[in-house]
Amino acid sequence: GAVVSQHPSRVICKSGTSVKIECRSLDFQATTMFWYRQFPKQSLMLMATSNEGSKATYEQGVEKDKFLINHASLTLSTLTVTSAHPEDSSFYICSAYGQGGYTFGSGTRLTVV
Amino acid sequence: AQSVTQPDIHITVSEGASLELRCNYSYGATPYLFWYVQSPGQGLQLLLKYFSGDTLVQGIKGFEAEFKRSQSSFNLRKPSVHWSDAAEYFCAVGAGDDYKLSFGAGTTVTVRA
Repeated sequence: GAVVSQHPSRVICKSGTSVKIECRSLDFQATTMFWYRQFPKQSLMLMATSNEGSKATYEQGVEKDKFLINHASLTLSTLTVTSAHPEDSSFYICSAYGQGGYTFGSGTRLTVV
Repeated sequence: AQSVTQPDIHITVSEGASLELRCNYSYGATPYLFWYVQSPGQGLQLLLKYFSGDTLVQGIKGFEAEFKRSQSSFNLRKPSVHWSDAAEYFCAVGAGDDYKLSFGAGTTVTVRA
């Protein structure tokens, strides 16, 4: 079946630094990649949608300069949290749309100290 | 825009008992409907989906769901739960050309021995 590899699974960073999260579709081409944020005991909140080779579309209230998304190829999308602060600590999940379905990464637990 | 409601925040069920999780959606046309399961600290795994056709959908792990247009519902059922079914369950609806999914708030399932 379709697999999306998301790395790292956990990351701890200092306040003010940047963190990059990668999502790769391993055996299919992802025409669209979605990035979600999930707070403890809550649902998934869509942050942005990215299509290969074009700028990401951000949901209302999401700072595009803080959460940089790059979708350079049909198999790779990255989310960079810039100048991270403790309030950015969360669980981030990517989802790739391709082959008529959605495949989710295993998530990244970001802790900013 | 589409939306999803999962009325039950938490359900506790005995092992071997039946389980039903409710999901109601709001969308003008026939949506694409999904049920996902999430274990702590993990990504989402697709249980089943409905696009069209037979309104009773069979999924993995013994789950099934029934699409009822008249009630705008897509409830998930399992005849006999196992302790390993304890997890968070999300209903999601997709519609339109942007492929975005809207998630319900989730239902936490606890299985007691």
